[in-house]
Amino acid sequence: DTGVSQDPRHKITKRGQNVTFRCDPISEHNRLYWYRQTLGQGPEFLTYFQNEAQLEKSRLLSDRFSAERPKGSFSTLEIQRTEQGDSAMYLCASSHSAGSSGGVNSYEQYFGPGTRLTVT
Amino acid sequence: GQNIDQPTEMTATEGAIVQINCTYQTSGFNGLFWYQQHAGEAPTFLSYNVLDGLEEKGRFSSFLSRSKGYSYLLLKELQMKDSASYLCAVREVATDKLIFGTGTRLQVFP
Repeated sequence: DTGVSQDPRHKITKRGQNVTFRCDPISEHNRLYWYRQTLGQGPEFLTYFQNEAQLEKSRLLSDRFSAERPKGSFSTLEIQRTEQGDSAMYLCASSHSAGSSGGVNSYEQYFGPGTRLTVT
Repeated sequence: GQNIDQPTEMTATEGAIVQINCTYQTSGFNGLFWYQQHAGEAPTFLSYNVLDGLEEKGRFSSFLSRSKGYSYLLLKELQMKDSASYLCAVREVATDKLIFGTGTRLQVFP
């Protein structure tokens, strides 16, 4: 399978615990995005990387959230001291950066299956 | 600021045609995407418009008017499996990040 993968698919944790999610993008994609989606809403942008550089963080990303992409390949999203409001689906997507040749498919964002987090 | 509006829910009958509208106001525009999302699954790409006009792709078509900040997704010959949420998303110029609407939940009845 050469698509975007995420691990774990489901995570149940108690309030106050730390959790870490992993995303493996499509191998030739240099951009990686994290989104959060709650029930009945569209995905909301959290942060993105171009290669290993984190270029933008949403104000939704509080100090308890941190993301890394140390070698420009896989990425991790950590949530410290989880709260019930953190319960959501966390989606990862990857793409080529704009300006690549090949039309829309060269910079379409491909989504992973998501990690569903439940904080009890 | 950025604002994307689409209807919350729609219903239609199998075999019919349905049009899902999306209006947007964004500070920088670099294309509009439509994604399909079944419950509990990730969004999957349906269509992309960056220039005005209609893009057709099998049973699905998408239209864009940049001057009006308006797009629609047209689904023909509806099938039960088309019951899903349809997400309209605008791509920002500098970052390529997607700004999504809340999604339109479509239910197809026999």
